[in-house]
Amino acid sequence: NAGVTQTPKFQVLKTGQSMTLQCAQDMNHNSMYWYRQDPGMGLRLIYYSASEGTTDKGEVPNGYNVSRLNKREFSLRLESAAPSQTSVYFCASTAQGYRETQYFGPGTRLLVL
Amino acid sequence: GENVEQHPSTLSVQEGDSAVIKCTYSDSASNYFPWYKQELGKGPQLIIDIRSNVGEKKDQRIAVTLNKTAKHFSLHITETQPEDSAVYFCAATVNQAGTALIFGKGTTLSVSS
Repeated sequence: NAGVTQTPKFQVLKTGQSMTLQCAQDMNHNSMYWYRQDPGMGLRLIYYSASEGTTDKGEVPNGYNVSRLNKREFSLRLESAAPSQTSVYFCASTAQGYRETQYFGPGTRLLVL
Repeated sequence: GENVEQHPSTLSVQEGDSAVIKCTYSDSASNYFPWYKQELGKGPQLIIDIRSNVGEKKDQRIAVTLNKTAKHFSLHITETQPEDSAVYFCAATVNQAGTALIFGKGTTLSVSS
């Protein structure tokens, strides 16, 4: 039981390049989330998926798109990376909704030059 | 929307001392308050949570208190150990579709031996 896994662990992009961050969970959870973590800013929600087939914007969705591929996988795409998107990205999942334990992945560290 | 403020941003204690981290929230409808611990290079991990129908909850050396009238909640760690050194985040949310878990900006706790 691996919990929440994220790939890649680290990525360097040039401004304007695109990439997809992958997230998968093996806990049969319904809800999945993408956060970004910046120094002194805590964790901010980018997008979430309450259940398979649904996605909704969080606090900071601009510049990102998501896909809930199936119940296990939730990907985050940067279509045209900007230096302001340099951050650490965390995926998380819960069995159902926000009022439960969120299980976080190990994070993807992204540097946009 | 909900706003969560967390203090202090850094806290240094000697091994064996107690540590207290405080958070305030703005939305009186918030009813779930988790605390997460993040070790260096890892994703956050839930350590304790409290719901609005409870004033205090304990788990070994960790306790959380909630004052709904004042809209603040606190994390108390007793008999601190070096392995308690980490970043701690508080969060708050309401049990309502479409709402998010709002995190504080974090407290870096350092326990010296």
